[in-house]
Amino acid sequence: DAKTTQPPSMDCAEGRAANLPCNHSTISGNEYVYWYRQIHSQGPQYIIHGLKNNETNEMASLIITEDRKSSTLILPHATLRDTAVYYCIVRVAPSSASKIIFGSGTRLSIRP
Amino acid sequence: EAGVAQSPRYKIIEKRQSVAFWCNPISGHATLYWYQQILGQGPKLLIQFQNNGVVDDSQLPKDRFSAERLKGVDSTLKIQPAKLEDSAVYLCASSLGRSSGNTIYFGEGSWLTVV
Repeated sequence: DAKTTQPPSMDCAEGRAANLPCNHSTISGNEYVYWYRQIHSQGPQYIIHGLKNNETNEMASLIITEDRKSSTLILPHATLRDTAVYYCIVRVAPSSASKIIFGSGTRLSIRP
Repeated sequence: EAGVAQSPRYKIIEKRQSVAFWCNPISGHATLYWYQQILGQGPKLLIQFQNNGVVDDSQLPKDRFSAERLKGVDSTLKIQPAKLEDSAVYLCASSLGRSSGNTIYFGEGSWLTVV
C-alpha cells in the first residue's frame, strides 16, 4: 500500500504558485520523498526528491517538515502545461527492492 | 541522453491472444521495472529486475504474464492469453541501481486494449 496521503484534486490560477501537500507520517529515517507528475497519455516524469533538507531545481521546490512527516511541492509560477496528476512517493528503503509505490496522486488543474 | 524506449506504443488485440512489449532502458541502468497502469489509477509495479535477475515479481500474474531481461539490458513483457482486464498502459522504467537515492525514469508506455 502507498505510504502517502494527498488530496485528490486541486486547482490554481495560471501564474500563481501551486502548493501541493503530502502526508507521509510513517516515513523511516532513510527513506526519500519523491515527486513525479503524469501528463495525460505520457509516462510519469521525475520532478524532485529529498531526504531531510529542502530542495530546489529548475522545475520546483520541495519543502520537507522538520519531523519529515509531511512535505509540500511548490511550482512557483504555474502554467497551463503544469496540468497533470502529481504523485508524492516515499521510496522504500535500500535494503529491500527500493521500488516506487504509487498512490492515487493529486490532479492539479491550472485555470487561465 | 536518450530516455527509456518502449514499443509498440499502441496495441489492440482480442481476448485470449498474446502480446509482447519491449523496453530498452537508459544506458548503464542496472535496475529495470515494469508497471501496469489501469485508467484512472496510479501505476502498479509488476516486476523489478536487477541486471538480469528478478528482484521482485510478487505482483506479477504469473499464470499469464512473463518477463525476461536477457543480458541485463533490454526487457520483454509478455501476456498470454490476454484478458479484457489487462487493458492498461504498460510502463517500463529504469534506474542506475537499487538505492533509494537513485532516480527512476519512465518511458512513455505501451497502451494495450483487449477487445
